[in-house]
Amino acid sequence: GESVGLHLPTLSVQEGDNSIINCAYSNSASDYFIWYKQESGKGPQFIIDIRSNMDKRQGQRVTVLLNKTVKHLSLQIAATQPGDSAVYFCAEFSPGNTPLVFGKGTRLSVIA
Amino acid sequence: DGGITQSPKYLFRKEGQNVTLSCEQNLNHDAMYWYRQDPGQGLRLIYYSQIVNDFQKGDIAEGYSVSREKKESFPLTVTSAQKNPTAFYLCATRGQGNSGNTIYFGEGSWLTVV
Repeated sequence: GESVGLHLPTLSVQEGDNSIINCAYSNSASDYFIWYKQESGKGPQFIIDIRSNMDKRQGQRVTVLLNKTVKHLSLQIAATQPGDSAVYFCAEFSPGNTPLVFGKGTRLSVIA
Repeated sequence: DGGITQSPKYLFRKEGQNVTLSCEQNLNHDAMYWYRQDPGQGLRLIYYSQIVNDFQKGDIAEGYSVSREKKESFPLTVTSAQKNPTAFYLCATRGQGNSGNTIYFGEGSWLTVV
C-alpha cells in the first residue's frame, strides 16, 4: 500500500546548527504535504505546508523542500534552538478527500 | 479561546468498562478525526467524519465507536472490546490552511487501563 516514511528516526544537532529532517512518500498522486511538530505529551502542531505545484516554501526559520521526481520531502530548521527539540512528522494528502497519511516521526534532540 | 478541546486530559479505565473521550471544536470545520498514538509511535486513524451524521472507520476501528450528532462534537467511546486501550488519543479537525486543507489537533487525552 501507499506509505509515508522517514529516513532517520532520531537526529541530534548542536544548538545553533541547521537541522534537516527527511521524509519519503510513495503515493505519486499526493498533492499536499504538511510538517508537524509534537512536543512530549502534547498534540501535534502545524509547522508548514506545501502543495505539489511548488518545490520550496519558507516560513520563520523553517523551509520545506519538495522533490516530486524522487518523492522526497524535507524540513530544514535554521539556527536550531533547544525549544525545537520534539518529534517531527510529515504527512501527505491525496486527492479525493482521503484522510491524511502520517509518517512515524523523527525525534530531534538539540544539544546545548 | 478558539480551537479544539479534548477532555478529560487524563482518564483511567477499569477492565470491562466503556469510557468516552470528548472532542469539541469551534472552528466551524466539517471534518473531524480520532487518532491513537502509542509511546514512541506514529498516529493511527481510528474513525473520521466528513460531515454531521456520517462517519467512516479508519485503520484501527475495532473496539471503538463514535457519533457525530453536531458539527462541533465528535466523541469517541472506547469499549470493553478494545483489548489494549492504554494510549494517547488525539482529536483533529480539517480546515483551510495556508496552502490547502490542513489538519489541526487538540492537546490529546491519555487513557490508562487499571
